[in-house]
Amino acid sequence: SAVISQKPSRDICQRGTSLTIQCQVDSQVTMMFWYRQQPGQSLTLIATANQGSEATYESGFVIDKFPISRPNLTFSTLTVSNMSPEDSSIYLCSAAGTLYNEQFFGPGTRLTVL
Amino acid sequence: SQQGEEDPQALSIQEGENATMNCSYKTSINNLQWYRQNSGRGLVHLILIRSNEREKHSGRLRVTLDTSKKSSSLLITASRAADTASYFCATVLGEKLTFGTGTRLTIIP
Repeated sequence: SAVISQKPSRDICQRGTSLTIQCQVDSQVTMMFWYRQQPGQSLTLIATANQGSEATYESGFVIDKFPISRPNLTFSTLTVSNMSPEDSSIYLCSAAGTLYNEQFFGPGTRLTVL
Repeated sequence: SQQGEEDPQALSIQEGENATMNCSYKTSINNLQWYRQNSGRGLVHLILIRSNEREKHSGRLRVTLDTSKKSSSLLITASRAADTASYFCATVLGEKLTFGTGTRLTIIP
């Protein structure tokens, strides 16, 4: 299993600013992911964070809006850029050994954009 | 798009009763997973059932999988107030784990 922490746990931000969310795993993992969960909704995958290379983004998500870093096998960041109220969501990171095993989730970052 | 559709969307039962949630999916799968999410928090993995398995148990949880009908069910027996949460099924679709729409379960003490 893996224990995942996220910082910050929540934030309230002004329109037009950017926020970087950090995700730390307590052990080396092959795969890390970033999800968005809008209020009352299911999870939507933003991107797969690849170690040492550019993230793989899902349809509807672009690097300019959601730049992602993964400098090593235990850490990743997601930046929400030029925020608008529509970006208000919970952002979750997860980690897994393989795509076909269970994923371990961080506690999430609740973002409110005013 | 969602791979899985869950029903019911919301379920309220008395403590001690059993709760059953269903998940239907659209394509062939390697495995199907169930997760629980307490209000506004991260997800906790409950159980994984592989495509060649039909039933799996873990404590008070029982999961079934019918690949011919592309459906799965999660049964929670002898429910407790602490079981109040949202429950999601998830399947691997392409290169990603895709989550269903979720069932909001409320246990009434």
